[in-house]
Amino acid sequence: EDQVTQSPEALRLQEGESSSLNCSYTVSGLRGLFWYRQDPGKGPEFLFTLYSAGEEKEKERLKATLTKKESFLHITAPKPEDSATYLCAVARGGADGLTFGKGTHLIIQP
Amino acid sequence: ETGVTQSPTHLIKTRGQQVTLRCSSQSGHNTVSWYQQALGQGPQFIFQYYREEENGRGNFPPRFSGLQFPNYSSELNVNALELDDSALYLCASSFPGGVNGANVLTFGAGSRLTVL
Repeated sequence: EDQVTQSPEALRLQEGESSSLNCSYTVSGLRGLFWYRQDPGKGPEFLFTLYSAGEEKEKERLKATLTKKESFLHITAPKPEDSATYLCAVARGGADGLTFGKGTHLIIQP
Repeated sequence: ETGVTQSPTHLIKTRGQQVTLRCSSQSGHNTVSWYQQALGQGPQFIFQYYREEENGRGNFPPRFSGLQFPNYSSELNVNALELDDSALYLCASSFPGGVNGANVLTFGAGSRLTVL
């Protein structure tokens, strides 16, 4: 059974304080690992897809990396608007759907 | 480019009742999937529709059913509602053929269902 575990569950940072969120996964036949951002009362918003170990992608203050067992979402010099729940999900492809972790609730204090 | 729209945004039902949730997919997307997100949890895959047929299903009982229409819009129906069905129901659309077979999903804002 596919499993996705995210840590920490919650993280409070000061504005400008860099950190990393972790996503550990177990899946047979990984086709892709996704990062989504979810704001309160809204649906998840796509950030990145990673396909193979060693791959990295960047967008503004966010950088996602992938190994064979985990992915990291690095956030550099965060701002209060980066506050959200960050969700990690794995795909086996086709019509299997995504398996999500519980998310990391990130709060950036000014 | 219009995104994924869902209706209603909020609704309250009592145990044993039936509910229908609706979703319009993003322009150009022909695949729709539904997810259930309980409070404090990640979304859980319910099922996926492609060409008006269910072609993938998660670990949900048959009282969760759906439809996809020729315009790619979709409905989620839940019969015999239980208290544990209280959740945010998310619709997502996509276009198949993504890299590696992993398609990027575009989510709607969800329908918040409360079962009393």
